[in-house]
Order: sequence, then structure tokens, then C-alpha cells
Amino acid sequence: QQQVKQSPQSLIVQKGGISIINCAYENTAFDYFPWYQQFPGKGPALLIAIRPDVSEKKEGRFTISFNKSAKQFSLHIMDSQPGDSATYFCAASSQYSSASKIIFGSGTRLSIRP
Amino acid sequence: DSGVTQTPKHLITATGQRVTLRCSPRSGDLSVYWYQQSLDQGLQFLIQYYNGEERAKGNILERFSAQQFPDLHSELNLSSLELGDSALYFCASSATGWSTEAFFGQGTRLTVV
Repeated sequence: QQQVKQSPQSLIVQKGGISIINCAYENTAFDYFPWYQQFPGKGPALLIAIRPDVSEKKEGRFTISFNKSAKQFSLHIMDSQPGDSATYFCAASSQYSSASKIIFGSGTRLSIRP
Repeated sequence: DSGVTQTPKHLITATGQRVTLRCSPRSGDLSVYWYQQSLDQGLQFLIQYYNGEERAKGNILERFSAQQFPDLHSELNLSSLELGDSALYFCASSATGWSTEAFFGQGTRLTVV
């Protein structure tokens, strides 16, 4: 119940295309859903996050879509660029849980072809 | 730069040895998290401290321990090291004990030979 399932494991997208990464969770106590971007040799960096009271959040070319009833959320990267090539992790946590750890998905390695 | 500092950046040690990884959180952050990332693996939560107290525990081995000091820096101690402990160890910090925005350090790459 603590897992966050992420797919696909790897993704290749042409420059200018849309990259879509999907995640699903089971624990309905989760109330914060961040996405992290990680470049090789670097720590994960917070990219964008959403709370379940909204269905979509957009920041520049990055959009999170959230479906509370299906317990699914996804990251869309519009106009994908070679500089977006990185590993992306979805995550979930519960703000009001006594064990407020952040649970990460398994990651998606995104490659943008020039 | 996230503001979270981890030292050392690289560590090579032999099996059976003990090492200490250090983390300085962002200024003002009270919560520190430790994660392990093995090669091509996701981020496995180890342990969280909030203002000096253990807050949450994940799949942390008994050979591993951590603490957070009064100045809020944290140390992760790994003992009786095995080859399988080779991984990237990340520290993250957040302002409160409720994990909203968490900022990660650059990690310590541990190689056990």
C-alpha cells in the first residue's frame, strides 16, 4: 500500500514531441505528489508538485495531471528538448502521517532525440 | 545548488569496514531524510529525522544507523560493509517534519571493494 508504481521504465521521444510518464498509488492517505528530475551524477531536484484538490498543474512546459478517483497521476513534458533527457521520479507522501516519508516510484529514463 | 551539503562526495572502502556519511541541511530546515540509490535503481527510503528525533524508518539495515545533532546536521553510519552496500546515498532536507518540498544533496557515492 506504500508503493508508487511508475511507467514506462524508459522512454525515447523526438525533439519537440510530448513525453508522458505515468504513476499510480494505492494509499489514499497520500496528499502530496511531487515529480523529481535527476541528471547523471546529481541529486534529484524537485520539478513540479500537485495536491489532490486540483486535477492539473502547469509550470512552463511541464504539466501534472491528477486523477484522484483512479489514484493515478502523470507528468507531461511538452515540446520536449534534448536538455530534458534525464531520469524522472514520481513520488508521494502524506503530510499528516506520523511517518511522513516520501515514497518514490522506480524512475523513468527519458531520452530526447535531436 | 539545493543548499544541502553532503560529504564526502566519493568513498571507497573495504568489506567489513565502517564509514560515516555527513549531511548539512538547508539553512532553517528541521527535517533530514536519507535515501539509498543502487545502480539503475530507484530511491529507497532509509530514515528520517526531525529536529533531532527519529521520525520515520524505512528499509534500513540493522548495520546502518543515523542521528541528527543539535545543529541539525545528520550522519549516516554504515558498518560491517558488504559489496552490496555500494550505492549512492542521498540526504534531503525539508523545512518541517511533514515532507512537502524536499531538497536533495549531490549524494555520496560509496564503493565497497
